[in-house]
Amino acid sequence: DAGVIQSPRHEVTEMGQEVTLRCKPISGHNSLFWYRQTMMRGLELLIYFNNNVPIDDSGMPEDRFSAKMPNASFSTLKIQPSEPRDSAVYFCASSLGGSANYGYTFGSGTRLTVV
Amino acid sequence: SQQGEEDPQALSIQEGENATMNCSYKTSINNLQWYRQNSGRGLVHLILIRSNEREKHSGRLRVTLDTSKKSSSLLITASRAADTASYFCATYNQGGKLIFGQGTELSVKP
Repeated sequence: DAGVIQSPRHEVTEMGQEVTLRCKPISGHNSLFWYRQTMMRGLELLIYFNNNVPIDDSGMPEDRFSAKMPNASFSTLKIQPSEPRDSAVYFCASSLGGSANYGYTFGSGTRLTVV
Repeated sequence: SQQGEEDPQALSIQEGENATMNCSYKTSINNLQWYRQNSGRGLVHLILIRSNEREKHSGRLRVTLDTSKKSSSLLITASRAADTASYFCATYNQGGKLIFGQGTELSVKP
């Protein structure tokens, strides 16, 4: 298995533009998580899905952020409009059955810079 | 919000020495996990210890858990330069969320 695949690896965009981050989880994993990592706030859980259904989006910072999982092999995180404070590394992770018995497999992340 | 807090924030040792990192948390947990992150990369799962376990080993890694003190430690024995990375503890509770601490930056000098 190629692991969790995220694209793009790097994204530089101007303030006000729409940004879409993509994630392909490991085949067979039924839980998917989006995290954001910054120096100031560390790793923050934004939203997670179980069997393609959003379970908890309480970590999504604002209405500018939205996430979808149209099928078991694909998820997107969209920021519209983007702001400089959204600059961070965004990670997608997947797991088999949440994390009660198994760890998460993380992607390599998307480094987002909003100028 | 951060659940776990690692101590120390940074640790520098010589190759061959042991490295010990500690993690404290606030609420009851289902399990506690340790992850490694190399610079510019994603996190890699190292080990999971359940709330009813006290110690777990995996290769050169040894994890302990004390639920009465709400703390855990990760010991890396006979460290290598390749162990240089950030190490995070993460707690999983009944709410179904895995919450990470701020991490310990380990530097192993050859």
